[in-house]
Amino acid sequence: GEDVEQSLFLSVREGDSSVINCTYTDSSSTYLYWYKQEPGAGLQLLTYIFSNMDMKQDQRLTVLLNKKDKHLSLRIADTQTGDSAIYFCAREGGTASKLTFGTGTRLQVTL
Amino acid sequence: EAGVVQSPRYKIIEKKQPVAFWCNPISGHNTLYWYLQNLGQGPELLIRYENEEAVDDSQLPKDRFSAERLKGVDSTLKIQPAELGDSAVYLCASSPRGGHEQYFGPGTRLTVT
Repeated sequence: GEDVEQSLFLSVREGDSSVINCTYTDSSSTYLYWYKQEPGAGLQLLTYIFSNMDMKQDQRLTVLLNKKDKHLSLRIADTQTGDSAIYFCAREGGTASKLTFGTGTRLQVTL
Repeated sequence: EAGVVQSPRYKIIEKKQPVAFWCNPISGHNTLYWYLQNLGQGPELLIRYENEEAVDDSQLPKDRFSAERLKGVDSTLKIQPAELGDSAVYLCASSPRGGHEQYFGPGTRLTVT
């Protein structure tokens, strides 16, 4: 997924907010997603946003979309140790239903 | 509601041997996907089914990989013969008709020795 880029690693202290960033190149993206993957598990859909929105909030999760800059972020409020995982950004566009994933950001939550 | 089921969870085979993976999607989901996830990478689509029809198999290496979804429910992905480079996690996902969410199974971790 070279057209979806993420930083590889993020470390935060428990209780702080985490912000995971993602950039993409294809402006035809219609939906953008955040998935969480814990060790040895499949991907869990966290949230998604339609490209005509600029923000979506769901409990501790806030997604911000800057369509002009093709930048997506996921903010996790009050980060807990259970949030430690790899977070993948994905875009849907072009071919309907085809998701293109980033390489994932490993979130480490320290005490 | 049961999630996407995959089996086996782990498989170790020698190179040149055949291997098959099975997926049962969420009940009522007509779209089924097979993804390949290499270590340290995001998943990459291999094939997408709408009911029993493969509508996108452009990324499936057809010389050794095959897939089927005969009755539009369960699906099988096969590799014959396996190569060392096929070692990866094979993920199955499904989505409902008209839906944009894809729900993933736990994956099958394949090791080719």
